[in-house]
Amino acid sequence: GAVVSQHPSWVICKSGTSVKIECRSLDFQATTMFWYRQFPKQSLMLMATSNEGSKATYEQGVEKDKFLINHASLTLSTLTVTSAHPEDSSFYICSARDSAGANTGELFFGEGSRLTVL
Amino acid sequence: LAKTTQPISMDSYEGQEVNITCSHNNIATNDYITWYQQFPSQGPRFIIQGYKTKVTNEVASLFIPADRKSSTLSLPRVSLSDTAVYYCLVGYGGATNKLIFGTGTLLAVQP
Repeated sequence: GAVVSQHPSWVICKSGTSVKIECRSLDFQATTMFWYRQFPKQSLMLMATSNEGSKATYEQGVEKDKFLINHASLTLSTLTVTSAHPEDSSFYICSARDSAGANTGELFFGEGSRLTVL
Repeated sequence: LAKTTQPISMDSYEGQEVNITCSHNNIATNDYITWYQQFPSQGPRFIIQGYKTKVTNEVASLFIPADRKSSTLSLPRVSLSDTAVYYCLVGYGGATNKLIFGTGTLLAVQP
């Protein structure tokens, strides 16, 4: 199946700093990618839909100025957590569908990025 | 977006068949049903997908009744390594259409 890669897989930062997470589709093009956040023992929560060449669409309650999303190419979307605080510590996961693939609903997920803010 | 309901947790023993049912009463005509498996600190992994009747692959079977308001994931002869959270998602797979995760089912397989 298609491969989605995230980097870094884990990051530790100081409170107040910004952290960038990359999501790449390695063998397919994705005009749209999705960013999820998962707290311990909870389900994945959709944060935003990343659209290539245009602004991201954020879910209710997710601050767009806090979580900056850039989808500059058909294979790369980035999520920047700005001025991170301990409450932003979480597992961030991206996903994508093959833009040229069948419309069957399968999402391909990255390995996730564990952010810990001290 | 179709909302899904699953049992929060299930217990099983090695070698048993496990059936996890998902309710999706407001599934739309174009929606597919997809099941994912997630281990701790990993992204979800695709298990199986179907639209109607029965689908089988090398790891699982998916049973979907005619009204498509529910589906059942069947895992034959589970092992300890099948302990994970299983998510049922329904949605139309257009590239921009988002999928929402429910609570998932934590399957605990014991020796």
